[in-house]
Amino acid sequence: GQQLNQSPQSMFIQEGEDVSMNCTSSSIFNTWLWYKQDPGEGPVLLIALYKAGELTSNGRLTAQFGITRKDSFLNISASIPSDVGIYFCAGLQIGSQGNLIFGKGTKLSVKP
Amino acid sequence: DVKVTQSSRYLVKRTGEKVFLECVQDMDHENMFWYRQDPGLGLRLIYFSYDVKMKEKGDIPEGYSVSREKKERFSLILESASTNQTSMYLCASSIRADLILSYEQYFGPGTRLTVT
Repeated sequence: GQQLNQSPQSMFIQEGEDVSMNCTSSSIFNTWLWYKQDPGEGPVLLIALYKAGELTSNGRLTAQFGITRKDSFLNISASIPSDVGIYFCAGLQIGSQGNLIFGKGTKLSVKP
Repeated sequence: DVKVTQSSRYLVKRTGEKVFLECVQDMDHENMFWYRQDPGLGLRLIYFSYDVKMKEKGDIPEGYSVSREKKERFSLILESASTNQTSMYLCASSIRADLILSYEQYFGPGTRLTVT
């Protein structure tokens, strides 16, 4: 079945640094979503991407839908302590009515 | 704002007990989903439903059942809880994909279930 590989698994960065993470797949996806999960909470949707090549921003966050439709990237600029959490990518399962396939997450730690 | 609520944030049950986890969404979404989340394994889909009284198995349905009697409510049932069902359970909802180009799922806060 379709699978997503998300990297890196974890990151330890200094406050103010930029962050980059990505998801790749051997299969094509038509939709990419990025979520953030705070400790003990449910994931919250950050950005949704629907077209290959699309670049979308949400404040300090920018995500891109890869041209090949097999990858997506999330960048966070000028990180702050509240950026701490787990970031998940998700792709729409082909042929489904809305089932998403999730990456295993990138755990971000920010040192003040 | 979309609101998905789950009946409990924390739950402790004994092995063999029947456990009910309730999820309610207030956005009139057609689709509802139950996931479990475990360290290193990410989110795994247990069951989903695209309409009232309709249910489909996800990737790990064994040991679980679901009920969707009303559009806004989706219940996950552990018929006989076991220790390997200790996990974080997440409910999500989304609008029907053919109505609008939107596959965005909105999650509840999660229920952390411990089975002893």
